[in-house]
Amino acid sequence: DIQMTQSPSPLSASVGDRVTITCQATQDIKNHLNWYQQKPGKAPDLLIFDAYRLQRGVPSRFSGSGSGTHFSFTISSLQPEDIATYYCQQSDSLPLTFGGGTRVEIK
Amino acid sequence: EVQLVESGGGLVEPGRSLRLSCAASGFTFDDFAMHWVRQIPGKGLEWVSGIIWSGSRRVYSDSVKGRFTISRDNAKNSLDLQMNSLRADDTALYYCAKGTAGGTHDGGLDMWGQGTMVTVSS
Repeated sequence: DIQMTQSPSPLSASVGDRVTITCQATQDIKNHLNWYQQKPGKAPDLLIFDAYRLQRGVPSRFSGSGSGTHFSFTISSLQPEDIATYYCQQSDSLPLTFGGGTRVEIK
Repeated sequence: EVQLVESGGGLVEPGRSLRLSCAASGFTFDDFAMHWVRQIPGKGLEWVSGIIWSGSRRVYSDSVKGRFTISRDNAKNSLDLQMNSLRADDTALYYCAKGTAGGTHDGGLDMWGQGTMVTVSS
């Protein structure tokens, strides 16, 4: 199975800050990497697919990059409504696997 | 409205069975793979099972293989998860999720239900 490792967690930042989360896979997953946002008490929402493609309706302050085994997710200017846990997930092979999550907090 | 609605969760004793259902609406159900993902409250996400658009291929995590069976009825826009020989470590919130394509691992999961809670305890 492909293991996904996210860092940091938690992440504490101020409104307006640029924040970056990294995700590392234990083997090459090409660009088959997705990012989700989960707010407390809610189901996850897909924000980015195929490493960098923004899901329809997702604000442009969210972005993703990377390929192979190293990926990153960035919020260019943190907003209060971005408080959530963010997960990476690989869709290169079965079983689908998720990172452990990064809880983003407002400092 | 585009939505997924799960049902069937509850409290069940170890070793017993439970069947979860997911009703889909607002999209062409038989164009997409469907999945079950679970989450222990306060913990991370764990993929459980997936089924391709036609239902002809079903895949499972090692933790549920041989105990759980995923199925779909494209005529009724519904997805099921039959869970047998339940264990305490199956306790979680179970989400139904839609794939972005027809295969079991094409792209992300772009629509999720609200989840149904399964508690396995004596």
